[in-house]
Amino acid sequence: KAGVTQTPRYLIKTRGQQVTLSCSPISGHRSVSWYQQTPGQGLQFLFEYFSETQRNKGNFPGRFSGRQFSNSRSEMNVSTLELGDSALYLCASSLRGQGPYGYTFGSGTRLTVV
Amino acid sequence: QQQVKQSPQSLIVQKGGISIINCAYENTAFDYFPWYQQFPGKGPALLIAIRPDVSEKKEGRFTISFNKSAKQFSLHIMDSQPGDSATYFCAASRDSMEYGNKLVFGAGTILRVKS
Repeated sequence: KAGVTQTPRYLIKTRGQQVTLSCSPISGHRSVSWYQQTPGQGLQFLFEYFSETQRNKGNFPGRFSGRQFSNSRSEMNVSTLELGDSALYLCASSLRGQGPYGYTFGSGTRLTVV
Repeated sequence: QQQVKQSPQSLIVQKGGISIINCAYENTAFDYFPWYQQFPGKGPALLIAIRPDVSEKKEGRFTISFNKSAKQFSLHIMDSQPGDSATYFCAASRDSMEYGNKLVFGAGTILRVKS
């Protein structure tokens, strides 16, 4: 079966712009989580959506937002981009709404802010 | 109380040797401890996971050892192969609806297996 699909794979944006990243989970998975990966801070939890509701949010500014659609696909948005937002953004999906068991990550979207 | 500390930062092992990566956690409410393997250009992939009710779990060449009293767990890769060269992350989570599916990750260990 298809894995977690993230689009686009690479993105270059200018400081001050906004960006939207997309994640299609594995078919049947209802939970989608987003992580930011940087060399300095490692993997940090952004937020989690389950059945179209945000259940959990990490320690990121309000510029970072997301949503989940009825088909479980998710998008995350970053407004007013800063140079420090350059990172690999990873999406993970799981079947259950409790516990990251069977968590499957996508290959990520590499965002570069110039 | 949310941190997971991982060591070493990098590791070089000869082919056929044993790779050992260690992690320590603070939050005693954590009850799920997975290890992930990440290759360049890919997302992390689940390798093996353990719950605190067992002290060791083995899957093929990969073994997790868990010490609940010390709040430490480690990954052992037996008979390390060049194909094991990757970045390894330990993580921790809680099995509760309130906590959801959030993972707290260690900083990662870059493993290089020399042939």
